[in-house]
Amino acid sequence: EDQVTQSPEALRLQEGESSSLNCSYTVSGLRGLFWYRQDPGKGPEFLFTLYSAGEEKEKERLKATLTKKESFLHITAPKPEDSATYLCAVRSNAGKSTFGDGTTLTVKP
Amino acid sequence: DVKVTQSSRYLVKRTGEKVFLECVQDMDHENMFWYRQDPGLGLRLIYFSYDVKMKEKGDIPEGYSVSREKKERFSLILESASTNQTSMYLCASSLTAGGEETQYFGPGTRLLVL
Repeated sequence: EDQVTQSPEALRLQEGESSSLNCSYTVSGLRGLFWYRQDPGKGPEFLFTLYSAGEEKEKERLKATLTKKESFLHITAPKPEDSATYLCAVRSNAGKSTFGDGTTLTVKP
Repeated sequence: DVKVTQSSRYLVKRTGEKVFLECVQDMDHENMFWYRQDPGLGLRLIYFSYDVKMKEKGDIPEGYSVSREKKERFSLILESASTNQTSMYLCASSLTAGGEETQYFGPGTRLLVL
């Protein structure tokens, strides 16, 4: 059975304090690993897709990396508007998606 | 901009009612998905579809059915609503281009079954 575990469950940072979110996974054939941002009461917003170990992608203050067992979402010098829940998901070669429970990030000014 | 729209933001239904949740995407995406999101359980895949008239069961299909008669529209049907189907329902569509898949979500429908 495919599994995704995200840690920490919640993270509080001061503005400008860089950190990383972790996504550990097991999957029967990885088609892709996805990162999303979700604001309260809204649908998830797509951030990145990673396909193979060693791959990295960046968008503004966010950088996602992938190994064979986990992915990291690095947040550099975060701002209060980066506060959200960040979701990780894996898509198996069979086409099924499995989501983690998310990390709720709060950035204090 | 890709747009995924869902027919209702909030819905209140009675136990035993038949419920239709509609999802429409405007970017000619082949892949469409229905999830439910519950506190402590995360997003769980109900059904997905990779083409018109095609459907595949996700992790929790029991009590649900789907219909995809047109490429842009993917409907989720609760044949006889029950209180344990109270949840946030999220539709998504995705496009694979140049080997890259990008998935877009709708705003969600919060369903309350009384």
